[in-house]
Amino acid sequence: GNSVTQMEGPVTLSEEAFLTINCTYTATGYPSLFWYVQYPGEGLQLLLKATKADDKGSNKGFEATYRKETTSFHLEKGSVQVSDSAVYFCALSVPGGGADGLTFGKGTHLIIQP
Amino acid sequence: EAQVTQNPRYLITVTGKKLTVTCSQNMNHEYMSWYRQDPGLGLRQIYYSMNVEVTDKGDVPEGYKVSRKEKRNFPLILESPSPNQTSLYFCASSFREGGYEQYFGPGTRLTVT
Repeated sequence: GNSVTQMEGPVTLSEEAFLTINCTYTATGYPSLFWYVQYPGEGLQLLLKATKADDKGSNKGFEATYRKETTSFHLEKGSVQVSDSAVYFCALSVPGGGADGLTFGKGTHLIIQP
Repeated sequence: EAQVTQNPRYLITVTGKKLTVTCSQNMNHEYMSWYRQDPGLGLRQIYYSMNVEVTDKGDVPEGYKVSRKEKRNFPLILESPSPNQTSLYFCASSFREGGYEQYFGPGTRLTVT
């Protein structure tokens, strides 16, 4: 079956620090990969995605590169802000691989201190 | 505005009292899904629907029912809620299954006493 493993938190950083949240996956077929973000009291929002190997997704200063050889999709940001404090979920979905929805990691709680 | 709406947002109920959580999307999406979010477990899929009158079980379907009589609506039904169904529930929709971005509703926090 499909699975996603991501570092669990909380991860606490100071403002302007460099951020990396690791994500690795196992999947049958060729998955699309996603990072979702959940701000306090809200639903999940798509942060970025990549649909094939070596694609780089980017949004709001965040980036992640689809690495098929290492089955990874690590999330990075060069300089985090307090407003980036949230829970981040790595997820995958297999196009045409049946009717499965998203398979999520357990989420990483990120806390940015001023 | 493209969105997924859920109602109610908060619900406290007692064991065994049937309840329905509604979900509606205005994006003409074919695919809809329900997830529950629990601490330490992340999000797990309960049921999904690929189109009208087509539904199937996800990873944790026990104790839940769904229906898809119209494309825009996908209600979640708990016929006899139990305390282990206390959770945060999210409805989501996407253009199609597999590989497409899913749009999430704001969540329904359910407490069963």
